[in-house]
Amino acid sequence: GENVEQHPSTLSVQEGDSAVIKCTYSDSASNYFPWYKQELGKGPQLIIDIRSNVGEKKDQRIAVTLNKTAKHFSLHITETQPEDSAVYFCAASTSFGSNYQLIWGAGTKLIIKP
Amino acid sequence: DTEVTQTPKHLVMGMTNKKSLKCEQHMGHRAMYWYKQKAKKPPELMFVYSYEKLSINESVPSRFSPECPNSSLLNLHLHALQPEDSALYLCASSRGTGGWNTEAFFGQGTRLTVV
Repeated sequence: GENVEQHPSTLSVQEGDSAVIKCTYSDSASNYFPWYKQELGKGPQLIIDIRSNVGEKKDQRIAVTLNKTAKHFSLHITETQPEDSAVYFCAASTSFGSNYQLIWGAGTKLIIKP
Repeated sequence: DTEVTQTPKHLVMGMTNKKSLKCEQHMGHRAMYWYKQKAKKPPELMFVYSYEKLSINESVPSRFSPECPNSSLLNLHLHALQPEDSALYLCASSRGTGGWNTEAFFGQGTRLTVV
């Protein structure tokens, strides 16, 4: 079955610097890759996603890249701000019979140092 | 509006109690999900409803009983829970369950404590 690995588990960066979180997946049939941000005590919030027919997508300070050949995708946050501190999860959508499910990475705790 | 609303936000219940968690969305989504999340872990899928029919039950114990009264509402009935069931319970919805339709929006969760 699908397996999603996420690295690093903790990332500490200086405010204003960039942060990169990487995920690899095992099922070459996976076709949808969302990223979620989860703040303490809240539910996961979808911040950006990418579909398998696209290599890169940007939304202001956030970008996601997908390398289907290598089966990995990455989240890039530029000009980090204190409010970017949170746990970030990657996921991959894979089929189970007639349904698709999200398989989640283990999460990355991002700490923005002032 | 990409809002999924869950009530209550917090719940403390005894092991002999019966309680229900509620979830509501008005995005016209036809798939709704219950997830369980333990501290410092990703969400774990429990149940999936597609077009108001239960399509996935991830081998969840029978003390958790889901219900989908209509396409906008999802309930999770709880009975005879154990302390290890204490967790954040998340509801989510998506347009469908096929491929790219799995863009899922989550509620804020119910923090459940079983005493």
